[in-house]
Amino acid sequence: DAGVIQSPRHEVTEMGQEVTLRCKPISGHDYLFWYRQTMMRGLELLIYFNNNVPIDDSGMPEDRFSAKMPNASFSTLKIQPSEPRDSAVYFCASSPETGYLHGYTFGSGTRLTVV
Amino acid sequence: DQQVKQNSPSLSVQEGRISILNCDYTNSMFDYFLWYKKYPAEGPTFLISISSIKDKNEDGRFTVFLNKSAKHLSLHIVPSQPGDSAVYFCAASPSSNTGKLIFGQGTTLQVKP
Repeated sequence: DAGVIQSPRHEVTEMGQEVTLRCKPISGHDYLFWYRQTMMRGLELLIYFNNNVPIDDSGMPEDRFSAKMPNASFSTLKIQPSEPRDSAVYFCASSPETGYLHGYTFGSGTRLTVV
Repeated sequence: DQQVKQNSPSLSVQEGRISILNCDYTNSMFDYFLWYKKYPAEGPTFLISISSIKDKNEDGRFTVFLNKSAKHLSLHIVPSQPGDSAVYFCAASPSSNTGKLIFGQGTTLQVKP
């Protein structure tokens, strides 16, 4: 099993540009989560999906952020337009149905820098 | 509003000694708690968990203690090893079967040889 795969690993973009982060969850996992890591707030949940359906997007900071899961094997997190304060490490994670009992599997993250 | 708090950003201990990482939470409806470990340039990995019906869970060198009345949990590592040096996150599940976890800010542990 290749684990949760995120791309790109690093992204540097200019303020105002659109950024798209990608995630491939573990096959068979029903849940997919997008988290953002910052020094001040640690790991913040942005949005999560169950069986490709968005369940809770209350953590999405602004309308500039959007996430999709068109099928069970792919999800995107888009920021448009990007701002310097969006700079952070973005993690995708997946879990089976009773994920919280066994823990999530995280990807290696995308380090986003907006200049 | 931080529902899960790790008030110590960093901790340094000597190899072979005990490491104690602390975590506080505010929501009494949390019923499951987990600890994750994160190395640089990697995603967090699951370490150990505890249900709210227990007050202790042990797995090798790692033990998690839960004090529900104080809304406090701690992770003990005995004996600490240099390879334990990492960022440790505690997490809580707000209710059964939602799949959602709320994480703290993390504590960076350094174990000195």
